[in-house]
Amino acid sequence: GQNIDQPTEMTATEGAIVQINCTYQTSGFNGLFWYQQHAGEAPTFLSYNVLDGLEEKGRFSSFLSRSKGYSYLLLKELQMKDSASYLCVAMDSNYQLIWGAGTKLIIKP
Amino acid sequence: GAVVSQHPSRVICKSGTSVKIECRSLDFQATTMFWYRQFPKQSLMLMATSNEGSKATYEQGVEKDKFLINHASLTLSTLTVTSAHPEDSSFYICSARDLQGAGETQYFGPGTRLLVL
Repeated sequence: GQNIDQPTEMTATEGAIVQINCTYQTSGFNGLFWYQQHAGEAPTFLSYNVLDGLEEKGRFSSFLSRSKGYSYLLLKELQMKDSASYLCVAMDSNYQLIWGAGTKLIIKP
Repeated sequence: GAVVSQHPSRVICKSGTSVKIECRSLDFQATTMFWYRQFPKQSLMLMATSNEGSKATYEQGVEKDKFLINHASLTLSTLTVTSAHPEDSSFYICSARDLQGAGETQYFGPGTRLLVL
């Protein structure tokens, strides 16, 4: 079956760095998305990886290893506003989205 | 975990026809379901919030007469794209809020890819 695994909750300190891991199993692969979602709001697109490697975008970076079925989202210089849920989403060969349950990130001062 | 399904997974239709997309919560009851539209590599745009037994609440700029939403039961919501045009081609995603769950937990469907020729 198709599956996404990511930690349920993580805690980090303001100004620090945190890495949110995600492993996936899909029927074929057409890319992996990371979304940020604040409570009560729609998810916001953060990144899309389809090739192996690291993509950096400001304080956020996303990494993909297709051979390992693995991705991570790296957040640097954490700010209180980064407290949110982070969703790992994989797209299979039929362009269907497989959603992870999300990782709730708690930032402490 | 909670599962949300969508049917069909993909549909191709001619311009001017109507298309119905179903969203079902498979193992939980959802008083509230959400319909999103996703453009390539962009955020999900909330189209409307669907509440069981009442009219949907549409976001600004979404035509309620074009995107008909019906939430007939606690496990089913439908989105009908009426008189579809090529610009309606997109990825439509639904999500459902677990009635028994805590807080803001939403479960997302796999999406429906619509292509209007």
